[in-house]
Amino acid sequence: EDQVTQSPEALRLQEGESSSLNCSYTVSGLRGLFWYRQDPGKGPEFLFTLYSAGEEKEKERLKATLTKKESFLHITAPKPEDSATYLCAVSGGSYIPTFGRGTSLIVHP
Amino acid sequence: EPEVTQTPSHQVTQMGQEVILRCVPISNHLYFYWYRQILGQKVEFLVSFYNNEISEKSEIFDDQFSVERPDGSNFTLKIRSTKLEDSAMYFCASSVTIGGKETQYFGPGTRLLVL
Repeated sequence: EDQVTQSPEALRLQEGESSSLNCSYTVSGLRGLFWYRQDPGKGPEFLFTLYSAGEEKEKERLKATLTKKESFLHITAPKPEDSATYLCAVSGGSYIPTFGRGTSLIVHP
Repeated sequence: EPEVTQTPSHQVTQMGQEVILRCVPISNHLYFYWYRQILGQKVEFLVSFYNNEISEKSEIFDDQFSVERPDGSNFTLKIRSTKLEDSAMYFCASSVTIGGKETQYFGPGTRLLVL
């Protein structure tokens, strides 16, 4: 059974204080690891897909990296508008996406 | 920018009633999905749909649920004989694969409350 564990559950940062979110996973035959941003009461918004260990993707202040056991979402110099819940999901040999519980990020001005 | 739309945004129903949740995927996408998210819980996969048939379904997607693509644009989730525990946000998503890389786009969700 595929599993995704995200840590920390919640993170409070000051504006400009860089940090990283962790996504640990176990999956049979990784087809893709996905990062999403979810604002309260809204649907997940796609950020990145990573497919193989060593792969990195960047978008503005966000950078996602992947190893064989975990992925990190690095947030550089965050702004209050980066406040959201960040979700990690994996898709493996079963082709059924498995989501983590997410990390709730609050960035204080 | 194209987006996935869902109707209604909110639905209140009595236990035992049937509900139909509607989604309009992005027009050139070929894969469609339904997920649910119980309040405070993680997003859970229900079913994926490709080429007018179910491609994968989770244990949650039992005989109470069905999906249909009644025309070229709509994608529906029917929940029969609703139960209290069916109360959740239901998200539709559609995806495109380019160069072997898949991107899923989620709709805004339908909040279902079963009383």
